[in-house]
This record gives sequence, structure tokens and C-alpha cells, in this order.
Amino acid sequence: SYELTQPPSVSVSPGQTARITCSGDALPKQYAYWYQQKPGQAPILVIYKDDQRPSGIPERLSGSSSGTTVTLTISGVQAEDEADYYCQSADNSGTVVFGGGTKLTVL
Amino acid sequence: EVQVVESGGGLIQPGGSLRLSCAASGFTVSRNYMSWVRQAPGKGLEWVSVIYSGGSTYYADSVKGRFTISRDNSKNTLYLQMNSLRAEDTAVYYCARDLGFGSGSYFGYWGQGTLVTVSS
Repeated sequence: SYELTQPPSVSVSPGQTARITCSGDALPKQYAYWYQQKPGQAPILVIYKDDQRPSGIPERLSGSSSGTTVTLTISGVQAEDEADYYCQSADNSGTVVFGGGTKLTVL
Repeated sequence: EVQVVESGGGLIQPGGSLRLSCAASGFTVSRNYMSWVRQAPGKGLEWVSVIYSGGSTYYADSVKGRFTISRDNSKNTLYLQMNSLRAEDTAVYYCARDLGFGSGSYFGYWGQGTLVTVSS
């Protein structure tokens, strides 16, 4: 079955830039989406269609795509950005797939 | 304001059945694609099922033949009927409004989730 691969964890100091990657063979043909999830809360959509930011999401969060890898970049990381981040896309038949998630730790 | 509220979770024995509900407000369920997504304790997100505005339904292989997604247009409510439950179905179940409308599913609105625990 199709998989999206994320690093289990990323750590950065406040003010630095965090980059979370997501790799999958179908990503050149399928859009990617990113969700932020804090403990005990439902996920929140933070990036859609590779690089679009929903209203209300801070500009320091951005998305990009290159070949089989998409990247969520958080510039000027703040303590409130500490959370789990999940990428989501679809396989070639359109079935929704989530990445395994990345825990962002703000040191 | 768009809102979805899940209910119906609880403790159920293996082999049992449970029906989850998702009451929506601020939009019409029948005019949208609606999905169920689950999250096992300490684990990642897993898509479970979708119902399209036209009524077509699709399921993850892990639940196919055991779970049924449906909606009641008069109540603006989404359901997930879960039969033959297994321990591995233990998870928080989220109802989510799909904003892709056929051009690629993604979830812009989530409920707070309802916990299903399958255990003897």
C-alpha cells in the first residue's frame, strides 16, 4: 500500500527555521496537505494544495513541493508551534493517505 | 459558524457494534463530501471512510465490509455504523468536512472526536 514518509521528530530553538519533509512516489501527481495537532486537540489544516495557507494561519508557516518530496517550513519558530504535524495526500486511485506524523519540539 | 460534533463512542466488547454520529451545523452535510478519520492512542491519523454528496461511499481496506457510512439529510447528521469490532479499532474517531470536492480530498473542519475502546 502507498505510504507517505515523515521524520518522527524535528527539534529547533525558538526563532530558528523548522523544516518537516514528507516523501511519497505519487506526490508529483497529487497535492499535499498539512495538519497541525496539539495534545488532546483535533487536527487543524495549515497548508492545502502544496503551498496554500488557509485564512488565520500565520505567514511563518509555508509549504513547498519538489518532485517526490513536500516540505512544511516554519520560519521564526515560536513555542506555540510545538505540535505534531501530519502530511496528507492520495494514492493514484484517490484514496486518502496520511504520513506517520512528525513531532516538532521547540527547545 | 461551521461546526461538527461527534457522539456515540464508548467501551464495547470485541465482536460488538457501535454507531457514531456527527451532527453538523453551519453547512449542509448532503451537499458536501464527509469523511471519518481515526487515531489510535499515541498513533497517527488514519482515513476510514468517505461519503460523497452524490451518495457514493468508500472505505479503507481495514474496515471494508464491517463499517458503513451514511447520512440523514433531515437531521444534517453523518453516521458510522461499526460492526464486528476488533481491538485494533480502538481510536478517537473524527468526523471531517472534505473541502476537495472531487479534486483531491482534504479536511478543513474537524470535530473534537469521540473515543471508541474495544476491549473485554
